[in-house]
Amino acid sequence: GENVEQHPSTLSVQEGDSAVIKCTYSDSASNYFPWYKQELGKRPQLIIDIRSNVGEKKDQRIAVTLNKTAKHFSLHITETQPEDSAVYFCAASPRGGRGKLIFGQGTELSVKP
Amino acid sequence: DAGVIQSPRHEVTEMGQEVTLRCKPISGHNSLFWYRQTMMRGLELLIYFNNNVPIDDSGMPEDRFSAKMPNASFSTLKIQPSEPRDSAVYFCASSFGGNEQFFGPGTRLTVL
Repeated sequence: GENVEQHPSTLSVQEGDSAVIKCTYSDSASNYFPWYKQELGKRPQLIIDIRSNVGEKKDQRIAVTLNKTAKHFSLHITETQPEDSAVYFCAASPRGGRGKLIFGQGTELSVKP
Repeated sequence: DAGVIQSPRHEVTEMGQEVTLRCKPISGHNSLFWYRQTMMRGLELLIYFNNNVPIDDSGMPEDRFSAKMPNASFSTLKIQPSEPRDSAVYFCASSFGGNEQFFGPGTRLTVL
């Protein structure tokens, strides 16, 4: 079955710097890769997603890149702000999984003012 | 729409008791997912339904766990008997057509 590895587990940056979180997946047939942000005590919420027919997607300060050959995708946050501090989860959806998501272990991002 | 609704939001019970968690998905969504979140194991998929039919329950930890979806607007996750190691936050999520999953607020379960 699908397996998703996420790194790093914790990340600390200064306000204004960039943050990069990386994930690898095992099932080459996976076709949907969302990223979720979870603030302390809250539910996970989608911040950006990408499908396998696209290599890069950007939304303001957030971008995601996908390398299907390497089975690798990354989240990039530029000009980080204290409110970006949260746990970020990547996920992959196996083809034929009817929307099933396999989540990475999460990255705790801390943005220091 | 009110989003995914879960109840109760907090549950404290004693070991051996039965616990029932409830979820109302977003209207029109055809897939429903139950997750468990702990510090040690992260976000684990327990079971998911498509058009009210259980598709994959391989994440259900033991026979003490069961889930039902009697109709498109309601699902339950039951633990009987409960144990202290079941303490976690349980999330329900729903989606349509294999797209974005919307999570409910979660139920924080504490088993003493």
